Amino acid sequence: AQSVTQLGSHVSVSEGALVLLRCNYSSSVPPYLFWYVQYPNQGLQLLLKYTSAATLVKGINGFEAEFKKSETSFHLTKPSAHMSDAAEYFCAVSDSGNTGNQFYFGTGTSLTVIP
Amino acid sequence: NAGVTQTPKFQVLKTGQSMTLQCAQDMNHNSMYWYRQDPGMGLRLIYYSASEGTTDKGEVPNGYNVSRLNKREFSLRLESAAPSQTSVYFCATAVMGVPVGQPQHFGDGTRLSIL
Repeated sequence: AQSVTQLGSHVSVSEGALVLLRCNYSSSVPPYLFWYVQYPNQGLQLLLKYTSAATLVKGINGFEAEFKKSETSFHLTKPSAHMSDAAEYFCAVSDSGNTGNQFYFGTGTSLTVIP
Repeated sequence: NAGVTQTPKFQVLKTGQSMTLQCAQDMNHNSMYWYRQDPGMGLRLIYYSASEGTTDKGEVPNGYNVSRLNKREFSLRLESAAPSQTSVYFCATAVMGVPVGQPQHFGDGTRLSIL
């Protein structure tokens, strides 16, 4: 079965500092991996996705993630945090197929940006 | 350009009442999903519909029923609401099959309180 683990339910960074949100996956097949962001009282928005092309994936709002098969990781980074980055972030893995897409979400990481 | 539309956005029910949460999409996606989101637990899949005419149980189906009315609409029904069903409910859609690795798209959620 597929699963993802997000290390750290809460992360605080200073404005302008590096953002690093951790995600490790468990998959028996080549995974499709996603990062979503959720702002207060909103649904989840796709930040970026990995689908076995380039291992370094660039997303919206300056975020990027690197797929490392040897470490089974897909950590999300941003060089310089902005106040507007404060949100909940979810890592997800899917096992898309003709029988229907199943998505498995981590429990989320709440990012606080300190002025 | 609505994407995924959920109604209502907020609802308060009394224990034992019934209600139906509605979800409609205009993206022509095959698969539709219902999740509930609770603090510290991430997203848990209630039911999903891989394609029109099919529905399947997810991780937490007890106390819920669903109907895939047509390709656009997927409703979630609580027959006899319980306080444990107080949660934020999200509908999501995804392309099934080829191309693989497509992400889910989410509505803005329905915030449901059961007293």
